[in-house]
Amino acid sequence: KAGVTQTPRYLIKTRGQQVTLSCSPISGHRSVSWYQQTPGQGLQFLFEYFSETQRNKGNFPGRFSGRQFSNSRSEMNVSTLELGDSALYLCASSRSLDSAFYGYTFGSGTRLTVV
Amino acid sequence: GENVEQHPSTLSVQEGDSAVIKCTYSDSASNYFPWYKQELGKGPQLIIDIRSNVGEKKDQRIAVTLNKTAKHFSLHITETQPEDSAVYFCAASGIGMRGAGGTSYGKLTFGQGTILTVHP
Repeated sequence: KAGVTQTPRYLIKTRGQQVTLSCSPISGHRSVSWYQQTPGQGLQFLFEYFSETQRNKGNFPGRFSGRQFSNSRSEMNVSTLELGDSALYLCASSRSLDSAFYGYTFGSGTRLTVV
Repeated sequence: GENVEQHPSTLSVQEGDSAVIKCTYSDSASNYFPWYKQELGKGPQLIIDIRSNVGEKKDQRIAVTLNKTAKHFSLHITETQPEDSAVYFCAASGIGMRGAGGTSYGKLTFGQGTILTVHP
């Protein structure tokens, strides 16, 4: 079966711009989480959605937002980009209401570079 | 919140040797501990996980042990092969946990990672 699909794979943006990243979870998975991965901070949790509702949020500024659609696909948006937002953004999906129960499957990520 | 410490940051072994990576966690309420392998250009791949009602779990050459009292868990890889070379991450989470500030849903707290190199 198809895995978690993230698009685009690579993005280059200018400071001050905004960006939207997309994630299509595994079919049947209703929980989608987003993570930021950087060499300095490692993997950090951004937020989680289930059935179009944000259930949990990490410690990121309000410039980071997300949403989930009725087909479980999710998008995250970063506004007013800063150089420090350059990172690999990872999406993970899980099939259960309690998203840890069956484990999370990660996509390959979107590499965002802010110049 | 939860804090996960992972050691060592780099590990170099000869093919056929064993490799051990250790993690400690701070929140005694955490009850789910997965291990991920990340290869260059790819996302983390779940290789094994353990829940707090189990002390040890094994899958072929990979095993994980959990000591809830000491709040640490370890990944053991036996008979290492060059294709085991990657970055390994431990993580901790709570299944169905609700904290004062919200829930644990979807949130894995990761260690800083271990770069494992297996030399042929």
